[in-house]
Amino acid sequence: AQSVTQPDIHITVSEGASLELRCNYSYGATPYLFWYVQSPGQGLQLLLKYFSGDTLVQGIKGFEAEFKRSQSSFNLRKPSVHWSDAAEYFCAFFTGGGNKLTFGTGTQLKVEL
Amino acid sequence: DAGVTQSPTHLIKTRGQHVTLRCSPISGHKSVSWYQQVLGQGPQFIFQYYEKEERGRGNFPDRFSARQFPNYSSELNVNALLLGDSALYLCASSLALGETQYFGPGTRLLVL
Repeated sequence: AQSVTQPDIHITVSEGASLELRCNYSYGATPYLFWYVQSPGQGLQLLLKYFSGDTLVQGIKGFEAEFKRSQSSFNLRKPSVHWSDAAEYFCAFFTGGGNKLTFGTGTQLKVEL
Repeated sequence: DAGVTQSPTHLIKTRGQHVTLRCSPISGHKSVSWYQQVLGQGPQFIFQYYEKEERGRGNFPDRFSARQFPNYSSELNVNALLLGDSALYLCASSLALGETQYFGPGTRLLVL
């Protein structure tokens, strides 16, 4: 079945520490991959995307993600977390010919000051 | 440029009622998708429209319907509301099918 798995439901990091959020996908072909962020009560904001080419992609707010085909992963990283990064993060990919996004269950990030 | 806009922002209905949610896409975007996000879960795909035609439908009952207008705005309709329909309803727009989707702020629906 086509799916996205985010193994970590909650993650807590100290401000200034590095961050890695995990995402694994199950899909028969090369997917189009996305990371979105959702602040409480808000919609989803696109952080970055991978369609093809360079497997390390840069996004907004200092985030980056690396596509690893051999591991079916698309992990999100940030070298130094800011308190304003506290939010819920969703990994997603296109399925069905690109007419819908399939989302993971999300990772809630808490930042300790 | 304005992003995706949705109305209303919040809505309270009772079981059995009908609701209409509205979405205006980013200017120039011709595709609109609808998602339902239940508390504590990721968004679930409901519909996608492109050039006023339905191009995808998720696993939702026939009580859910949608349409896209000539100006590419869209409505999501839900009939015979159930308590389980309480959720954040997100609209996303994209230039075309297979393109990056940009989300609006959502409409939070509470069914009592």
